Amino acid sequence: EVVMTQSPATLSVSPGDRATLSCRASQSISSYLAWYQQKPGQAPSLVMYDVSTRATGIPDRFSGSGSGTEFTLTISSLQSEDSAVYYCQHYSFWPGTFGQGTKVEIK
Amino acid sequence: EVQLVESGGASVQPGGSLRLACVGSGFRFDNYAMYWVRQGPGKGLEWVSGIGWKSAGIAYADSVKGRFTISRDNAENSLYLQMNDLRVEDTALYYCVKAIWGRSGWVDHWGQGTLVTVSS
Repeated sequence: EVVMTQSPATLSVSPGDRATLSCRASQSISSYLAWYQQKPGQAPSLVMYDVSTRATGIPDRFSGSGSGTEFTLTISSLQSEDSAVYYCQHYSFWPGTFGQGTKVEIK
Repeated sequence: EVQLVESGGASVQPGGSLRLACVGSGFRFDNYAMYWVRQGPGKGLEWVSGIGWKSAGIAYADSVKGRFTISRDNAENSLYLQMNDLRVEDTALYYCVKAIWGRSGWVDHWGQGTLVTVSS
């Protein structure tokens, strides 16, 4: 299994500031990476796929980058509604493991 | 509108068995891979098992291999997870999810989950 490691565990950011979330794979997963957002009491929802393609309805303040083993999700100007836990997941082959999540808090 | 509705969650003792079910609607069920993803209380997401569109490809997380069995009935638009020899660490909300492709891919739709509690 590929181990996905996210950092930091918690990120506290002021409104309007940039939030940078990292995800590292234990082996190369090419560009087969997705990001999900989960708010309390809700099922996760897709934010990004193929590293840098925004899902339907995701604002352009969200961007993704990386390839191989190192990936980043950036929220350029954090809004209050972005407060959530974000998970990365690879889908290069099964099992499509998830990272342990990064909690984004509003400072 | 895509809908995924899980059922079958319950409270069971360690060593017990459960069968989860999921019915999909609003999409061509037999065209897509389907997964089970779980989330323990206060924990992150864990990919449990996946099955390809024609059941040709099946995989499991190491944590459930040999104990869980995934299957699907495309005629009934249904996905199943047979869970045997349940352990306390299997306690979680189990999500039925739809993949973007027939054999793999990211998740584009999630159910609301069914709760499995394993406790003595």
